[in-house]
Amino acid sequence: GAGVSQSPSNKVTEKGKDVELRCDPISGHTALYWYRQSLGQGLEFLIYFQGNSAPDKSGLPSDRFSAERTGGSVSTLTIQRTQQEDSAVYLCASSFPIADTQYFGPGTRLTVL
Amino acid sequence: GDSVTQMEGPVTLSEEAFLTINCTYTATGYPSLFWYVQYPGEGLQLLLKATKADDKGSNKGFEATYRKETTSFHLEKGSVQVSDSAVYFCALSDLRSNYQLIWGAGTKLIIKP
Repeated sequence: GAGVSQSPSNKVTEKGKDVELRCDPISGHTALYWYRQSLGQGLEFLIYFQGNSAPDKSGLPSDRFSAERTGGSVSTLTIQRTQQEDSAVYLCASSFPIADTQYFGPGTRLTVL
Repeated sequence: GDSVTQMEGPVTLSEEAFLTINCTYTATGYPSLFWYVQYPGEGLQLLLKATKADDKGSNKGFEATYRKETTSFHLEKGSVQVSDSAVYFCALSDLRSNYQLIWGAGTKLIIKP
């Protein structure tokens, strides 16, 4: 596609449920990042994938958060046992390898009731 | 660790006024510096970037110069328009941390006609 796509655009869930958020990066971009944008914390890095290398998970806030990237393309961010503090906009970005300009998707707005 | 500090908003200006949004950074390496913009209801877009000292990034009439001596990357525009109303984020990235973006808190800009 022309840009980074994310789905769903909005997700409302109940506390304690699991959610999956999807990111489809720009074709040819091997680097993929997840960020979170929340009112209290601003923008924060979550996880980074580069090709087939082990991901950099240093930004994941707890072990309830995990992500995978299949076939070096689509990525899924999973949040287990959601809490109200997980409510935020989850952003995905991609870039060429060894490059520092990231292109962002429109985000998934997650609301945990 | 590396960090970015930008002026708090909201910043309210009249159309055709001169704009400055201050951004300073702390980094141990030689980061690249960015300004991203988020228009109402839209995703993050790269506005401009600079990759080394004294570089000037420019786009859509906005400019910012990478000043290593003052560790700053202030955003300027000579004559703002109502359509420039948005939230502006200053950020840095470095190869040492896989180019993950480290963000400022964002500055909301309101332009009145």
